[in-house]
Amino acid sequence: EAGVAQSPRYKIIEKRQSVAFWCNPISGHATLYWYQQILGQGPKLLIQFQNNGVVDDSQLPKDRFSAERLKGVDSTLKIQPAKLEDSAVYLCASSLPIGTGPYEQYFGPGTRLTVT
Amino acid sequence: RKEVEQDPGPFNVPEGATVAFNCTYSNSASQSFFWYRQDCRKEPKLLMSVYSSGNEDGRFTAQLNRASQYISLLIRDSKLSDSATYLCVVSPGGGATNKLIFGTGTLLAVQP
Repeated sequence: EAGVAQSPRYKIIEKRQSVAFWCNPISGHATLYWYQQILGQGPKLLIQFQNNGVVDDSQLPKDRFSAERLKGVDSTLKIQPAKLEDSAVYLCASSLPIGTGPYEQYFGPGTRLTVT
Repeated sequence: RKEVEQDPGPFNVPEGATVAFNCTYSNSASQSFFWYRQDCRKEPKLLMSVYSSGNEDGRFTAQLNRASQYISLLIRDSKLSDSATYLCVVSPGGGATNKLIFGTGTLLAVQP
């Protein structure tokens, strides 16, 4: 079974530039998550989708971050403009729909972003 | 106070040793608990869920104490391949979200 796919794997940009990340979840997984993992810390949830609707975006810095999942499958996460503190690994995860249990989340390999 | 706190590590142990990791969480209403494993520069992967009755998977034993809001992971007979970061993870549950809250992780290095 194919896992969660993400691209690009690495990205280096200058501050104030914009960047976009793409995620394709495991087939049949209605729930999709974007996490930010700063070096030395655990992943932090940025946004959670159920199909194409947002379930939780309470920790998404909405002044610069945006995400969409228009057709309920692929998702993109955008940062505009980027700041130095956005340097991190951006992880996408997917799971079966909320309410079906056991709620295991499967993570993609991540996109390592460096902002200079 | 952080929502999930773990031993900072690193833990350097010889092969064959037994090692224990501890974790505390602040939200008493949390419903689900997990240990994830993350290899260097890789994505986190579920190691095991943690239940109030305690559960074991081979050399790994997880315990949950809801009254103390404390979670533990015991690894017996450590192998070189166990070297990784172990993330304590809590989910508030509640049906409307499957949000996972991660600790900062504890680095384990098993030495030959």
